[in-house]
Amino acid sequence: EPEVTQTPSHQVTQMGQEVILRCVPISNHLYFYWYRQILGQKVEFLVSFYNNEISEKSEIFDDQFSVERPDGSNFTLKIRSTKLEDSAMYFCASSFLGQPTTQYFGPGTRLLVL
Amino acid sequence: AQSVTQLGSHVSVSEGALVLLRCNYSSSVPPYLFWYVQYPNQGLQLLLKYTSAATLVKGINGFEAEFKKSETSFHLTKPSAHMSDAAEYFCAVSEAAQGAQKLVFGQGTRLTINP
Repeated sequence: EPEVTQTPSHQVTQMGQEVILRCVPISNHLYFYWYRQILGQKVEFLVSFYNNEISEKSEIFDDQFSVERPDGSNFTLKIRSTKLEDSAMYFCASSFLGQPTTQYFGPGTRLLVL
Repeated sequence: AQSVTQLGSHVSVSEGALVLLRCNYSSSVPPYLFWYVQYPNQGLQLLLKYTSAATLVKGINGFEAEFKKSETSFHLTKPSAHMSDAAEYFCAVSEAAQGAQKLVFGQGTRLTINP
């Protein structure tokens, strides 16, 4: 069964460093999403992406964050200058054009900022 | 704005007992409602969804949920718990019918099954 994959599974970085989290959505999906979950808190929406542009973004998704679909398969989340409070599990999700209400989630990347 | 409240951050039941996980939502328009399950070290897996068709929705692994508009609830049930049901369960709401969907999640409920 097709699935969303994410790399790396874990990443440790120093405060102020740039990180890129990578996702490979399911191949025929056209909607892409990033969510994050700070330890002990809710899963929070960050951004949705369709047709090579952002559809919606949350207040969390400030100028430090960017998303990109650099080729036909990858979908990336970049954090330009990480802060301690960016430590969280980051989930990528995708959905099919004909069934946008069903999002398929990847296993997540656990980011730790020191 | 949409919101979801899950009553009980931890629920513990005996194997074979009824599972009931509570979810209440707030939405300004008819909502789309979802239950996701997260097993340890895995991503979120969709259990079931309500998208304005039948109010009683059946999902995978024997779970079902009933949409009750009057109570703004979407509680998840399973008649007989199995050890493999131990996981974290998330209720979520979306208001979009078309296009990219923003899911708003509840806090999650950790389900423990006692032998």
